[in-house]
This record gives sequence, C-alpha cells and structure tokens, in this order.
Amino acid sequence: EDKVVQSPLSLVVHEGDTVTLNCSYEVTNFRSLLWYKQEKKAPTFLFMLTSSGIEKKSGRLSSILDKKELFSILNITATQTGDSAVYLCAGAPSSNTGKLIFGQGTTLQVKP
Amino acid sequence: NAGVTQTPKFRVLKTGQSMTLLCAQDMNHEYMYWYRQDPGMGLRLIHYSVGEGTTAKGEVPDGYNVSRLKKQNFLLGLESAAPSQTSVYFCASTSRVDTQYFGPGTRLTVL
Repeated sequence: EDKVVQSPLSLVVHEGDTVTLNCSYEVTNFRSLLWYKQEKKAPTFLFMLTSSGIEKKSGRLSSILDKKELFSILNITATQTGDSAVYLCAGAPSSNTGKLIFGQGTTLQVKP
Repeated sequence: NAGVTQTPKFRVLKTGQSMTLLCAQDMNHEYMYWYRQDPGMGLRLIHYSVGEGTTAKGEVPDGYNVSRLKKQNFLLGLESAAPSQTSVYFCASTSRVDTQYFGPGTRLTVL
C-alpha cells in the first residue's frame, strides 16, 4: 500500500531559526513529490520534485528529493511568523488519474 | 478567474440528514477530487473524477456519493450523515498529472 510519512508532526521554533521538514515515501511507480503549505484554509502549492539531487528554491524555502533513499526534505531558513502553517508532502504515482498520496502534515509554529 | 470554489463554507447537520457539497472550477480541468481532512491525518481522498461523466472511489469512499454531470462541477453527497463525517472537506482540480489546485474548504459538523 502506498504511503507517505512526514516528520516531525509538529515543531515550534523562534523567528530566525532554520527548520528542516522530512518526508519519506513508498509510492508504486513513483513519478514526483509535491510540497504544499496550508494556512488555515486551502493548501497552496510550493514545489514539485521529479529528479534526485536537484534543489528547488523559492526565496527562503528550498527542497530536494532523494529517489534512492525515498525521501524529501523542505528547508526554511530565517523563519518568520508568516511561515507558521501546516506543510503537506504528497507522492504522485505514474498514472492517468492524477491522484496524490498525502502525508499527515507537519505543523510549524514560528514564535516572535 | 475564480479558480476552485466550494459551496457552502460551513454546515451543521443532524445525524441522518443529507446534504450536497458543490465544487466548481473555471480552469477547464479534466481531473477533480474530493478530500476530507481530519486532525493528524492529512488529506484523504474520498472520490475522484478523470472527466465529465466519470467517477471513481478513493481511499475513504464509504458514506459518500459523487457526480460529475458537467466538466466544471463535482458534487459530493452525504445521504445519511454520521458524526464520523464531521470534517473539513476540500475539493481540488488539475489539468493533468500535475499539481492540484484546492478550493477553500467546507467545514461540516454532524451532531
């Protein structure tokens, strides 16, 4: 059975800290891994990773995929209170359905 | 361009009542999905559709039905609501096997 596991489940840091969120996956016919940010409403897309070792970057956020060890990390540097959210990781199998398998999410709280 | 919209935003039902949640997208997406989100469990797929007139079961389909009569709309029905269906429901759509775009969610409470 396909599954995606995120760790830690929750995290509290102070502004300026750097955080690393983890996502491991077991997805049959794996195609890509996606990261979303959810702030009390709809998840919004952050990154899609398909190749190992290639870092995707957007401002203070970056992510990388390791297809050999079946995991991905999401890094946030110089955290701000606006980074407080639930971060969701999802695995996408190769299929014609577009289905995603979501992890439980990591709740990040950034304190001033 | 409104993206993905959901109606209603909030609803309280009594056990045994029925209701329909409406999802609409204006991006001409083929694929649409209904998820439920419960604390500590991420997003779980209820039903999905790969095109107008098609539907399929997801991970947690029991107690729900869906219909996709028009490409832009995806309806989720609860025939006889149960307290276990108290949750936040999200609809999503995509044009292909790519990132999904989510609606704002519907918070449903079943008493």
